[in-house]
This record gives sequence, C-alpha cells and structure tokens, in this order.
Amino acid sequence: GENVEQHPSTLSVQEGDSAVIKCTYSDSASNYFPWYKQELGKRPQLIIDIRSNVGEKKDQRIAVTLNKTAKHFSLHITETQPEDSAVYFCAAISSGSARQLTFGSGTQLTVLP
Amino acid sequence: DGGITQSPKYLFRKEGQNVTLSCEQNLNHDAMYWYRQDPGQGLRLIYYSQIVNDFQKGDIAEGYSVSREKKESFPLTVTSAQKNPTAFYLCASSIDGGTDYGYTFGSGTRLTVV
Repeated sequence: GENVEQHPSTLSVQEGDSAVIKCTYSDSASNYFPWYKQELGKRPQLIIDIRSNVGEKKDQRIAVTLNKTAKHFSLHITETQPEDSAVYFCAAISSGSARQLTFGSGTQLTVLP
Repeated sequence: DGGITQSPKYLFRKEGQNVTLSCEQNLNHDAMYWYRQDPGQGLRLIYYSQIVNDFQKGDIAEGYSVSREKKESFPLTVTSAQKNPTAFYLCASSIDGGTDYGYTFGSGTRLTVV
C-alpha cells in the first residue's frame, strides 16, 4: 500500500517568514495529493490539493508543488501569520479500486509574533 | 459541521465495555471512513465503506467493528478487544473516494478509558 512520510515534525518561524513542509510518497500510481490544516482539538480541513497532471498550484499565500519523478510534494506558506499556527497533514490517494487517503504524520507549525 | 456530524464529542469507556461512536452525513456522499488519531501522530485508517452494505478493513481494524446499513450513517463500535482505545476518532466522507474533492471530516469524538 501507500506510504507517506512528512518532514519536519515541528517547525517554528517568525511572523512574515515563509514555511515549507515536505512529503514523500511510495506509490507511483498515486494521483491526488491534498493538504489539511488541523487546529487544536478540531477537525482537519482541506486547504489545498494538487493532482498529478500539474506541477504547482497556488491559492493566495499557500502553494503546493509536486515532483512526480522524485515522488515528493511540498506545501509552501508565505508571509506567515499567527493564525497559520496549526498541525498540517499531507496525504496521498492510493491506487487501485479501493481508493483511500494515506496521511503523513503531521507537522506542528508555530508562527512566532 | 459541514454536513457530517459525529457524536458524542466526548466519551468515556470502562474496561471491558463496548462503545459505539456515531457518524452521520447529509452530503449524499458514497464513501465514508473512520480514522484514529493519537497525540503527535497522523491519521490511521480503521475502516472504510464505499457503498451501502459493504465495508473494508483499514490498517488498524483489530478491536473495531462497523456497519453501513444506510448511506448517511457509518457507526463505529470500539470493542473490549481494543486494548488501547484512548484516542481522538475522526469520521470522514467523500463523493467519489476522494479523488476529486478530497474528504470532509466530522468534528471528532474523544474517547477515554476510565
């Protein structure tokens, strides 16, 4: 099955700086890669996703890049704000008929004022 | 909760007791999932169902059971066979297995063994 690894596990940045979170996946047939943000005690919420037919997608201060050859994808947050502090999870959809998301272990992002 | 409701929010289980967590969605989604989240860890798949009256084991199904008698409902039972059930449980649903629109999550149930 799919295996997703996520780094770093914790990340602290100064307000206004950029943050980058990286994930690798094992199944070369995976074709959908969402990112979720989870605030403390709350449910994960989809913030951005990318499909394997594109290399980059942007939504205001958030961008995701995908390198299919190397089987890795990254989340980029620019001009970070305190409200960006949360746990971020990457995920990849498994291939085959039984498709479900496999999640990375999460990154605790702290934006320091 | 964005169309997917989990209850209760907090649940306490005694040793040897079975408990059932509720998950209901009004999004008309075909697929539903149960994940377990432990502190500092990611989401691990317990069970999933892509259609009514059918479900599949995930990575950590031992000690859990599910049913999918209605499209809207996917309850999870934590049995006494689950030796370490204290965790945050998340239910999710998707239109098509998550390939086009990802998952929508419920707000979770925090289960504690007392």
